[in-house]
Formats: sequence, C-alpha cells, structure tokens
Amino acid sequence: EAQVTQNPRYLITVTGKKLTVTCSQNMNHEYMSWYRQDPGLGLRQIYYSMNVEVTDKGDVPEGYKVSRKEKRNFPLILESPSPNQTSLYFCASRLAGGNTGELFFGEGSRLTVL
Amino acid sequence: GQNIDQPTEMTATEGAIVQINCTYQTSGFNGLFWYQQHAGEAPTFLSYNVLDGLEEKGRFSSFLSRSKGYSYLLLKELQMKDSASYLCAVRGLYAGNNRKLIWGLGTSLAVNP
Repeated sequence: EAQVTQNPRYLITVTGKKLTVTCSQNMNHEYMSWYRQDPGLGLRQIYYSMNVEVTDKGDVPEGYKVSRKEKRNFPLILESPSPNQTSLYFCASRLAGGNTGELFFGEGSRLTVL
Repeated sequence: GQNIDQPTEMTATEGAIVQINCTYQTSGFNGLFWYQQHAGEAPTFLSYNVLDGLEEKGRFSSFLSRSKGYSYLLLKELQMKDSASYLCAVRGLYAGNNRKLIWGLGTSLAVNP
C-alpha cells in the first residue's frame, strides 16, 4: 500500500530534550516536505527536499533541522524543543514532476513540548 | 502579497448541495488544489484545476476562473462523513526547485442530519 509513515504519532516532551520525528514513504517520490499545522495559522511549510542530499528552508524553519540521506526517509529534528513548537506535524511527499503534483500526507505527529 | 480566502465555517444538511468558495491573490498561478481534512487526520487530495472550467469527480466538483482568482468546491448529496475541513491551496510561480503551495486556512463544514 502506497503510504507516508510518520513516527511517533503522539509525543509529550520537555523543553530542551532533543527529538526526531521520522518520515518514510514507499512511493519513490523525489519531493518530501514537513509542515506544521496550528489553529488559525493553517499549514505552514518547515523544510522541503527535492531529492537526496537536497534540502531547503520553507516558511518557518527556525528551531528545526532535516536531512535526506536516502530517498525514502526525511526525518525532522528538533535539537532543543521549546513550547512554541507544540503543534501537529505532517510529512508529505510527491513526484517531482507529475501531472498534478498531488501531495500525499502522513497521518501526522502531535507534539507537545512542556 | 499572496493570499487565499475561504469562509471559516459552513453548515449544511445531509442530502443537500454545498458550495465552498476560495479566492486567491498570488504572484503567478500554476494550479489550484482542494484537500479534505477530517479532524486530527491528514489532508487528502480531492481535486486539481489548472485550466478554467469545471472538473467533476463523483459527488465532488471543482471550478476555476483564473481571470477572477476564484474557485469553488461543490459537494452534492451530502453525507455525514463529509463533515470535515476543506483546504484550498494554490501553486504559485515556479520558484527555484519548489513549486510552492500557498494554503488557505480551510473551511470547516458541518453536515447535520
């Protein structure tokens, strides 16, 4: 089954404790992206990657890091989480070209930073 | 600036028809998407329009007018499971390597029995 898998789905952590949210897709998509979704602010792009070893900042990259060492994986790293990073996070992927550019989303990771 | 406007909330009755509007102002246009998002779940793709006109897909249709910066999503024969948020997103100009999507805040649709 074609899918984007995120882990963990739910996490409560404390300020300053490094964490990684993993994202893996099995559709051989070149493009992958991380979004956060907050009430009243909608979906905001954190980082994106056009292919292996190619990453770039989105609209709200501060406090986050990413890496793309393999095509299928695109982990999101919070080196020193703060309460303002409490949010619902989505990983998404698509073909780099493709007819529509439809994005496929993971199920989401709800993060709470105390 | 770049902006997408959608109504925040709408209510409709099971079996009825509802139209969700989206207006946009973007620096360039390269396609408009509608996604459905149930509470706490991932957005899922509904439709894509890049040329003017109506695209029909079962109970859902999407319309685009590029000259007016306007789209709507039409949902027919509403079902309770259609209660969800509907996100409008516009792909702007090709900027570097990222065909950037600009997202609306979504329209929360409640379908009542």
